This record gives sequence, C-alpha cells and structure tokens, in this order.
Amino acid sequence: GENVEQHPSTLSVQEGDSAVIKCTYSDSASNYFPWYKQELGKRPQLIIDIRSNVGEKKDQRIAVTLNKTAKHFSLHITETQPEDSAVYFCAPQRGNTPLVFGKGTRLSVIA
Amino acid sequence: DSGVTQTPKHLITATGQRVTLRCSPRSGDLSVYWYQQSLDQGLQFLIQYYNGEERAKGNILERFSAQQFPDLHSELNLSSLELGDSALYFCASSPSGQGNGELFFGEGSRLTVL
Repeated sequence: GENVEQHPSTLSVQEGDSAVIKCTYSDSASNYFPWYKQELGKRPQLIIDIRSNVGEKKDQRIAVTLNKTAKHFSLHITETQPEDSAVYFCAPQRGNTPLVFGKGTRLSVIA
Repeated sequence: DSGVTQTPKHLITATGQRVTLRCSPRSGDLSVYWYQQSLDQGLQFLIQYYNGEERAKGNILERFSAQQFPDLHSELNLSSLELGDSALYFCASSPSGQGNGELFFGEGSRLTVL
C-alpha cells in the first residue's frame, strides 16, 4: 500500500509569511495529488489538487508543486492569514484506489 | 454544506455495546467512504462502497461492518465497543468509484466509549 509522510507535523508562521508543507509518497504509480484542509471541529475539504501530467497549479494564495521523480508534492501558502490556521492533509492516489491520507500538518498563523 | 449527512452527530455509549452510524451521500453520488479520525491521528480509511457493492477495504476491524443500501445511504456498525474505538467517524461521497476526484465529507459522528 501507499506510504505517505508529511513534514513538518506542526508549523507556526507569522501572519503574512509563507508556509510550505511537503508530502512524500511511495507508490510511483500515483497520479492524483490533492490537499485537504480541516479547520478545528470541521470536516476536511479539498483546497487544491494536481494531476501527474502537471508540475504546478496555483489558485490565488495557494499552490501545489509536484516532483514525480522524487515522489513528493508540496503545498505552498503565501501571505498567510489567521483563517489559514488548520490541519492540512495530503492524499496521493493511484487510479481509483481510496485516498490514503497523511497524518496531517497543523498550521498555526500568528497574528 | 457538503450535501453529505451523517447521524448522529454525537454518541456516548459503554464498552461492549453496539452502535450504528448513518450516512446519506450527496444526491447522485454512488460511492461512499468511511474514515476514522482518532485524537491527533490522521484519517484512517475503513471501507468503500460503490452502488451497493463493497469496493475496497482498509484498516477496518472485524468488529466493524458496513453496508450500502439501494437508496445509496450507508451504515457503519460498530460492535463490542472498546475505549479505543472513541473517535470521529467521517463519511465521504464521490460521484463514482472510477478515477480521481474530490471527496465530499460529512460533518462526522463523534463516538465516545466510556
């Protein structure tokens, strides 16, 4: 099965700074790379995803980059705001297999 | 609102008991997934159903079982409960079991075993 690791497990940044979370996976056949955000007490929600034929995708302040050779992809958040504080999960997927989530990264944005 | 409904939202029970968690997927979604989230743990995949049939199985204990009914709602049955089963149980749905795509999560059912 897929081995998924996220680093760091916790991250604190000052408001306005950037945050980067890295996800390493083991299955070289993975072809879909989403990031989910879970605010405290809420459900996980997809915030951005990328497919294996694309190296980078951006949506306003968030971006995802993919390095298939090295088997990792990263979430980038620029100009962080307090509402970015949450737990972020990566979930690399191969084909139609169920999503296997990483253990999550707790991001705290300090105002 | 994701369109996925889970009941009950909270449940407190004793060790050895049995509970049933219910999930109604988004209208039109054929796939239902169950995930377990314990304190400070990630989302552990339990089981997936697609159009009434079991599609994939994860780290689901033998004491747990699930099914998806003809109207596509799903139930997760947890029996002989132990303290360690206390967790947040999420149901998620997606339009199909084919290919990649977004999972839509419900608000979860928080189970406390005393």
